[in-house]
Amino acid sequence: DTGVSQDPRHKITKRGQNVTFRCDPISEHNHLYWYRQTLGQGPEFLTYFQNEAQLEKSRLLSDRFSAERPKGSFSTLEIQRTEQGDSAMYLCASSLPSSTDTQYFGPGTRLTVL
Amino acid sequence: RKEVEQDPGPFNVPEGATVAFNCTYSNSASQSFFWYRQDCRKEPKLLMSVYSSGNEDGRFTAQLNRASQYISLLIRDSKLSDSATYLCVVTPWDGTASKLTFGTGTRLQVTL
Repeated sequence: DTGVSQDPRHKITKRGQNVTFRCDPISEHNHLYWYRQTLGQGPEFLTYFQNEAQLEKSRLLSDRFSAERPKGSFSTLEIQRTEQGDSAMYLCASSLPSSTDTQYFGPGTRLTVL
Repeated sequence: RKEVEQDPGPFNVPEGATVAFNCTYSNSASQSFFWYRQDCRKEPKLLMSVYSSGNEDGRFTAQLNRASQYISLLIRDSKLSDSATYLCVVTPWDGTASKLTFGTGTRLQVTL
């Protein structure tokens, strides 16, 4: 399967714990995006990487959230001191530089904070 | 006001019916427009791009009206497999990368 992959697919954690999610984009896609989707809403943009550089962050990305893409390939999204309001589906997408509006999504990581 | 507004539905239609979804967007600088489909608990998948001239892909027709900042999707001869949430998506264009802005989605349920 050469699509976008995400790990884990599901994560249940207790409030206050730290969690980290991983995204592996389609190879040769040097643009990588993170979105968050809550129940009954469309996905909301969180942040974007071009290669290893994080070029844009949404106001939704509080200081408890940090994303990295150290070698310009896979990316991680870490949430520190999780809160119940962080419960959501975290979606990763990737695109080619020539067509950044055509983004391919991974299956998502569903986070439940108890 | 949300940047992209859609009627959340649900739209319950019988198999074979024609159904239309509408979407409005507030940012007149929006450059690209899409419809995505999302099945329950799955990731969004691109259904089709939307152009001012209108475009058709089989039973699906999309239309853009820039003057009214309005996007539509028409599904003819609905199938049970069309049951899903349809997300209206717009992007600005800043010359580098596109941040997709999604509507809340319109849920379609096609019944026998």
